[in-house]
Amino acid sequence: DQQVKQNSPSLSVQEGRISILNCDYTNSMFDYFLWYKKYPAEGPTFLISISSIKDKNEDGRFTVFLNKSAKHLSLHIVPSQPGDSAVYFCAAFAGGTSYGKLTFGQGTILTVHP
Amino acid sequence: KAGVTQTPRYLIKTRGQQVTLSCSPISGHRSVSWYQQTPGQGLQFLFEYFSETQRNKGNFPGRFSGRQFSNSRSEMNVSTLELGDSALYLCASSPTGQGGYGYTFGSGTRLTVV
Repeated sequence: DQQVKQNSPSLSVQEGRISILNCDYTNSMFDYFLWYKKYPAEGPTFLISISSIKDKNEDGRFTVFLNKSAKHLSLHIVPSQPGDSAVYFCAAFAGGTSYGKLTFGQGTILTVHP
Repeated sequence: KAGVTQTPRYLIKTRGQQVTLSCSPISGHRSVSWYQQTPGQGLQFLFEYFSETQRNKGNFPGRFSGRQFSNSRSEMNVSTLELGDSALYLCASSPTGQGGYGYTFGSGTRLTVV
C-alpha cells in the first residue's frame, strides 16, 4: 500500500520556466510534508516543508502548495535552473508514535535544459 | 556545523556474511532513523532510535537490527546477507524524531552483496 505517490516518473522543462512536481497521499494522519532533492549515490537534501495547517509555504524559488481536501501537494520551482536537475522526493510524517519515520514517494526525475 | 556522517561509503560483501554500518548524527540531534533505498522499492524506513532505545520499526525481517550509543551515534547490522539486501542505506538525524521537521540525511552507504 503506497501511501505517498508521485505519479510522474520524470519531468523535463526549459531553463527559466516553471517546474511543477506533484504528489498525492492517502493517509489522513499525515500532518507534515517535505520535499527532498537527491543526486545519485548521495543522501536526500531537504528543500522545503509544509504543515497540514497551512496551504502554502514559500522559500526563495521554491513554493509548496497543499490541498488537504484533495490529499495533494505540489512543488513549484520558479525559475528553473540546470542545477535543479535531480530526483525530487515527496515525503510525509504522520505524527503520533511515528517516531523518526518519513514515508516517501517514488520520486520524480527533473531535467532542466539550458 | 558538521552534517550526518555515514561510514563506510561503499561496501562489498558475500551472501551469508554480516555487515555493520555506522552513522554519526548532527551534534545535538538525539534521534537517528535508518532507511533502505532500492530501485524497486524506493526509500523505505527501517527503524528509529532515541536515547539508545528503538522507538519505531519498519517492515523488515529480524536480520536487520540496530543500536544507538550514549553519544547518539548509531549502527545498523544486517546478518546473513542476501542478494536482495544490495541497496543504498541512509541514515537521518533529527532533534527529537517527533514532528516532521529537521531531518537531515547522510550521504549513505552503498552495500553490494555478491
